Amino acid sequence: GEDVEQSLFLSVREGDSSVINCTYTDSSSTYLYWYKQEPGAGLQLLTYIFSNMDMKQDQRLTVLLNKKDKHLSLRIADTQTGDSAIYFCAAGANNLFFGTGTRLTVIP
Amino acid sequence: DSGVTQTPKHLITATGQRVTLRCSPRSGDLSVYWYQQSLDQGLQFLIHYYNGEERAKGNILERFSAQQFPDLHSELNLSSLELGDSALYFCASSVFAGEQYFGPGTRLTVT
Repeated sequence: GEDVEQSLFLSVREGDSSVINCTYTDSSSTYLYWYKQEPGAGLQLLTYIFSNMDMKQDQRLTVLLNKKDKHLSLRIADTQTGDSAIYFCAAGANNLFFGTGTRLTVIP
Repeated sequence: DSGVTQTPKHLITATGQRVTLRCSPRSGDLSVYWYQQSLDQGLQFLIHYYNGEERAKGNILERFSAQQFPDLHSELNLSSLELGDSALYFCASSVFAGEQYFGPGTRLTVT
């Protein structure tokens, strides 16, 4: 199956940009997703990108996809304390393969 | 609120028992997926149903089974429970493929 990897932790100062990175192995993954999970809560779909796209922007979120390197990133502009959560990268067509999640801590 | 509902929110049971988790997908979604989130295994895909038919199986144990009913709600049955089955179980739904919206999860504790 697909292997999806992310770094475990990221700390940024409030107002700065956050960049969360992810690599995946299966180039046939049709969709690549970013989900957010707050403590004790479910997974919130933030955004996703089709594998034939390079970039997608949605308000403060920018997703970049490098298909050659199988690298996906999520940039959060003007990071706020409410953005503190675990961010999961996921890849797949129907069933999704998830990374371990990156815990983002925003320092006021 | 994703529109996907799951019941119960919490479940505490003993080893060897059997439980049923229930999921109602978003209105109009024909696909239902089940995932397990545990500390040691992370988030793992279990099984996918589309319009009542099983479409794909992931790392689902033989002690676990699922079904999707004509009204499109789904149930995940876990039997002969072991301590290691303690986890968060999520259901997600989508129209077919693509955007998967997750429910709030059922936290299962096996004692």
